[in-house]
This record gives sequence, C-alpha cells and structure tokens, in this order.
Amino acid sequence: QKEVEQNSGPLSVPEGAIASLNCTYSDRGSQSFFWYRQYSGKSPELIMSIYSNGDKEDGRFTAQLNKASQYVSLLIRDSQPSDSATYLCAVNMEYGNKLVFGAGTILRVKS
Amino acid sequence: SAVISQKPSRDICQRGTSLTIQCQVDSQVTMMFWYRQQPGQSLTLIATANQGSEATYESGFVIDKFPISRPNLTFSTLTVSNMSPEDSSIYLCSVDGGQVTEAFFGQGTRLTVV
Repeated sequence: QKEVEQNSGPLSVPEGAIASLNCTYSDRGSQSFFWYRQYSGKSPELIMSIYSNGDKEDGRFTAQLNKASQYVSLLIRDSQPSDSATYLCAVNMEYGNKLVFGAGTILRVKS
Repeated sequence: SAVISQKPSRDICQRGTSLTIQCQVDSQVTMMFWYRQQPGQSLTLIATANQGSEATYESGFVIDKFPISRPNLTFSTLTVSNMSPEDSSIYLCSVDGGQVTEAFFGQGTRLTVV
C-alpha cells in the first residue's frame, strides 16, 4: 500500500464547476496535511494546509480532513482554466517527521 | 514564507560527470530538504540537510551518489555524481515552514543526462 494515494486523473471539469480532489494516507498518526499546486514545468506551490478534522476554507479552496477515515480532500469552487494543474497531496508522517507526497491528480478546467 | 533561490535552473550533462546544485534561502532555516521528481512522477525525498551535521538520506539514496553540504543556515548544495540518463529529473530544494513541516520549494533544477 502506498503511503499517500491520489487518483492520477485527469479530472476534467467545466469552468465554474466544483472540482473535488481526494487523497488517502496510511499513517494513522499523521497530524499535518497539505495541498500543493504544480503547473507544468514549475515547482510545487503550497495552497492549503489542514491539521484538524473538518473543513478549512481559503477563498475558492476548501480542504476537508477526516482522520478516522484517513482521508483528506480539496474542493475548488468556481473552477477556472487557470486552475488547470497537477495537485499534490502531502502528509507529514509521524514516523521520521517527514513529508510524503502523493502521485498527484491532474485537473483540467475546460472553458 | 522564505524566498528560495536555486541554480542552475536547468542543465544538460554528459553521463559520468557530476553536477552541483545550489540552494540559497533569504532567511535562516533549521532544516533544508532535497527532493527528486522524475518525469511524470511525484516528489521523492532524497535527504534532509541540517547545518553542522551529516545529511540524513532516505532509503534508496546514498551519500556517494548524492553528497550534500550545509555550511550555514541559509545555504546548501546537492551534487549528483557519476550521472547516468536515469538521473534525468527535476531536483528541488525546500525548507520547512516552522513547527508543522510544511515545505516551500525553490524553482527547481531540470537535469538532463545524455
């Protein structure tokens, strides 16, 4: 079992729709969870972090965390073509105190 | 967040040679990290570089292949030694954001080995 799993996609949504990106993780002791956006040829950019169960909203982005289910998601409301990128889920594993990245989900927003 | 400058941004190297990548941060940071991102794949941690001590390497990565220096709290280098085409990747330097280990990345070095 991979430590952090994401659906590779591509996930295609029309402009203005909600994009839902999902991530599961294996280390039950993990405490910190992050979403990065990576445009082609660029380095990852941190867009959301979440540490407690529930929802955390920042503009058009909402991160959701359910530690019991070992599940974290990212919702993007009113999706724009500029949101088209690869979204990486990263989890701070309790063992070794290091970030482990998922393989990423490719999001395509069609105008 | 810290501003991280990484160079070179890209290079094409001959197999068997070595390349040293530099990472400069605009503020003092305790931990610096080096990642590799192979084509079409996610990020894999190579090693953690702490000032004043040997780097800590992840499984599958060894010091002879990826020597790291950390002479002070704002600078680190990663050398990719005796390169082969399989080393063609993007190499990324990152620093932690404090207590919660969020990572901020430099712009990366795109390495092609021919």
